Amino acid sequence: GAGVSQSPRYKVAKRGRDVALRCDSISGHVTLYWYRQTLGQGSEVLTYSQSDAQRDKSGRPSGRFSAERPERSVSTLKIQRTEQGDSAVYLCASSLVGGDTEAFFGQGTRLTVV
Amino acid sequence: ILNVEQSPQSLHVQEGDSTNFTCSFPSSNFYALHWYRWETAKSPEALFVMTLNGDEKKKGRISATLNTKEGYSYLYIKGSQPEDSATYLCAFYSGYSTLTFGKGTMLLVSP
Repeated sequence: GAGVSQSPRYKVAKRGRDVALRCDSISGHVTLYWYRQTLGQGSEVLTYSQSDAQRDKSGRPSGRFSAERPERSVSTLKIQRTEQGDSAVYLCASSLVGGDTEAFFGQGTRLTVV
Repeated sequence: ILNVEQSPQSLHVQEGDSTNFTCSFPSSNFYALHWYRWETAKSPEALFVMTLNGDEKKKGRISATLNTKEGYSYLYIKGSQPEDSATYLCAFYSGYSTLTFGKGTMLLVSP
């Protein structure tokens, strides 16, 4: 498909476990973002990367969140030692260049930490 | 960390009402302002990307204005329909770092 896809769509994880979420972005898009949407907290950027940077820059530095981009159109968000507060919808988005072009979003992964 | 505020947090209107909401952002280092519509169980979709002060964009019954000098943008919906029910997100880009999103305005339109 031509859009952004995320997998899995739903994930249940035991507190303390590590999880990995995948994003396949649009071919040719340079910038890739990971956001988290929680009820009441709105959305916050977790990481973003530009071009071929394998390691993402952190929007809100946190030792437990990291993202890798082994290929330009693939990114994996890793959450270490999950906490109940990590329960949220995790959205991946990509844009052709930077923030002056529209971002295209995946449908999200709903993570529930139990 | 950039501050992007949206108000109101939620809004409930009747079908046929016109409505508007606000996005406030830093007035310095402006590069672009985005509006997205996020319907339940779907991906957020871009409505507008605005870059010029005074710009006004329109898509059907939805329009947006931009004031970069004072740091705000309004989104207007004329004659709201139940299918307009969604969360409306704005995002600010300063030319550095990443898009910064507001927390959204949740709109519910009752028939």
